[in-house]
Amino acid sequence: QQQVKQSPQSLIVQKGGISIINCAYENTAFDYFPWYQQFPGKGPALLIAIRPDVSEKKEGRFTISFNKSAKQFSLHIMDSQPGDSATYFCAARLLGAGYSTLTFGKGTMLLVSP
Amino acid sequence: NAGVTQTPKFQVLKTGQSMTLQCAQDMNHNSMYWYRQDPGMGLRLIYYSASEGTTDKGEVPNGYNVSRLNKREFSLRLESAAPSQTSVYFCACQDRAPYEQYFGPGTRLTVT
Repeated sequence: QQQVKQSPQSLIVQKGGISIINCAYENTAFDYFPWYQQFPGKGPALLIAIRPDVSEKKEGRFTISFNKSAKQFSLHIMDSQPGDSATYFCAARLLGAGYSTLTFGKGTMLLVSP
Repeated sequence: NAGVTQTPKFQVLKTGQSMTLQCAQDMNHNSMYWYRQDPGMGLRLIYYSASEGTTDKGEVPNGYNVSRLNKREFSLRLESAAPSQTSVYFCACQDRAPYEQYFGPGTRLTVT
């Protein structure tokens, strides 16, 4: 059972355009929603994250929009640049007694054309 | 500080062989994780260790064992490798709040 669904699988955007990646989750116990960026041959790195009591979070050109009632969240990359070309993963955290785990979406490969 | 290191970077095994993937962190974080990454499948949690002395199964633990040797080191063992275990393996560590996970550079494993 896939608990975090991510779309699209791949995305091509022109330089200067807006890249939008969507995720949906099922488990209402998730309490924290990070986005990770991964370049080829590297490990993922945290890009931006949001808690469900906030509807939007912006850091530079990156914005997360969060819709708690729809159980959906999305990443917007404004003024996309070739250096943003990477794979993006959304994730959702489950926090238990003394532990926390992340469930990841399947990833979106973004290509920003010059 | 190196952050999270993984050895080896690459490995080729024959079916049935065993090996141990090593992970070490110098961030003094309590929790450590092992993931596998397959094309189109995202990152799937194999095992995790919330603190030194504890380990728990994740989403895809079959065929793997782990050892939390001390606070710094968390190893992943394949006792009898199978072609289905061909993957890129990532180790990660995490402290308490803000709960960010830091990933190592990965080990690319091929089982023939």
